[in-house]
Amino acid sequence: GAVVSQHPSWVICKSGTSVKIECRSLDFQATTMFWYRQFPKQSLMLMATSNEGSKATYEQGVEKDKFLINHASLTLSTLTVTSAHPEDSSFYICSARTRKTYEQYFGPGTRLTVT
Amino acid sequence: GQNIDQPTEMTATEGAIVQINCTYQTSGFNGLFWYQQHAGEAPTFLSYNVLDGLEEKGRFSSFLSRSKGYSYLLLKELQMKDSASYLCAVRTEGSTLGRLYFGRGTQLTVWP
Repeated sequence: GAVVSQHPSWVICKSGTSVKIECRSLDFQATTMFWYRQFPKQSLMLMATSNEGSKATYEQGVEKDKFLINHASLTLSTLTVTSAHPEDSSFYICSARTRKTYEQYFGPGTRLTVT
Repeated sequence: GQNIDQPTEMTATEGAIVQINCTYQTSGFNGLFWYQQHAGEAPTFLSYNVLDGLEEKGRFSSFLSRSKGYSYLLLKELQMKDSASYLCAVRTEGSTLGRLYFGRGTQLTVWP
């Protein structure tokens, strides 16, 4: 089946620093990747959608200058949280899909803690 | 906006049957998904409905009524490992990118 990986699985950083999270589709080409954020006991909130080779589309209320998304290839998308603050601490999950399938394949998630 | 509603919590006994309901009001409809999510892990795909009716897959079944904006996930022969959060998600019409809107999730606890 389709496998999506994320790296790192968890990260602790100091306030004001930047953190990069990678999302890779391991055995398929992902034309579209999605980035979600999930706070404890809440559902997944879509942050942005990215197509390979084009700029990401951000959801309302998500700061594009703070959450930088790059989808440079059909197997890799990155999310960079710039100048992180404690309120950015959350579970970040990516998903990927191909043009042919209706299903989104989720990565295992990255737990970010900003101290 | 998109509104997807499901109960916050449910409990059931091992071996029993449980039905988790989901109602939605969205601008267009192009499919409904159910995902299972264990604590601290990513969601895993359970089922997909785009036409009215019941889809059965082993112990799990999912039903859709588009006219009522309603779906349910039916879990039979419950096992302890089924304790998890179950997420209902709707893909809206006209989105070639396949964006999904998620409900808050239903936390299911299965007791021995």
